[in-house]
Amino acid sequence: GNSVTQMEGPVTLSEEAFLTINCTYTATGYPSLFWYVQYPGEGLQLLLKATKADDKGSNKGFEATYRKETTSFHLEKGSVQVSDSAVYFCALYYNQGGKLIFGQGTELSVKP
Amino acid sequence: NAGVTQTPKFQVLKTGQSMTLQCAQDMNHNSMYWYRQDPGMGLRLIYYSASEGTTDKGEVPNGYNVSRLNKREFSLRLESAAPSQTSVYFCASTNSDKSSPLHFGNGTRLTVT
Repeated sequence: GNSVTQMEGPVTLSEEAFLTINCTYTATGYPSLFWYVQYPGEGLQLLLKATKADDKGSNKGFEATYRKETTSFHLEKGSVQVSDSAVYFCALYYNQGGKLIFGQGTELSVKP
Repeated sequence: NAGVTQTPKFQVLKTGQSMTLQCAQDMNHNSMYWYRQDPGMGLRLIYYSASEGTTDKGEVPNGYNVSRLNKREFSLRLESAAPSQTSVYFCASTNSDKSSPLHFGNGTRLTVT
């Protein structure tokens, strides 16, 4: 079936460090891929998306590239800030069934 | 610009009690969803409604029922609450296009004692 696997957290980094959060997926067909972010006490917000192979989504300094050959959509940021501390969710959407499937989430903590 | 509104924000129930979580969206979205969020398990889909008048089960539907009252509103009912239903519940909506993101409410934190 369709599924999403993320690297386990928590991830703790110092400010200005490089961030990578791994995400791999299993899906039939050609799903769309998303990264969502959840700040404490809030719902999830869309961070970026990619709808076809080799697309790169980007927003607020974060990037992720849809790699069909490795079934991956890793999230990267060159220099994290304390304000990036949050939980990050990778997700895929497939038309058959119209559902969005989430990974388990990765908590990021950035220290000054 | 309200987006997705969930009520209540917090609720404590005793085992066996019933309650309904309310959700409304003002973005004219076709599809609406109910998820639960538990530590280490991410978000799991309870039920969803692809369009007004239709509902379908997600990954964890047992113990829940839903009603798509109209295009705006999608409620989640717990008929007989159990401690295993202690969780944070999120409602979301979207336009059903594969590139359209979900818009989430701020969640309902439910504790069942």
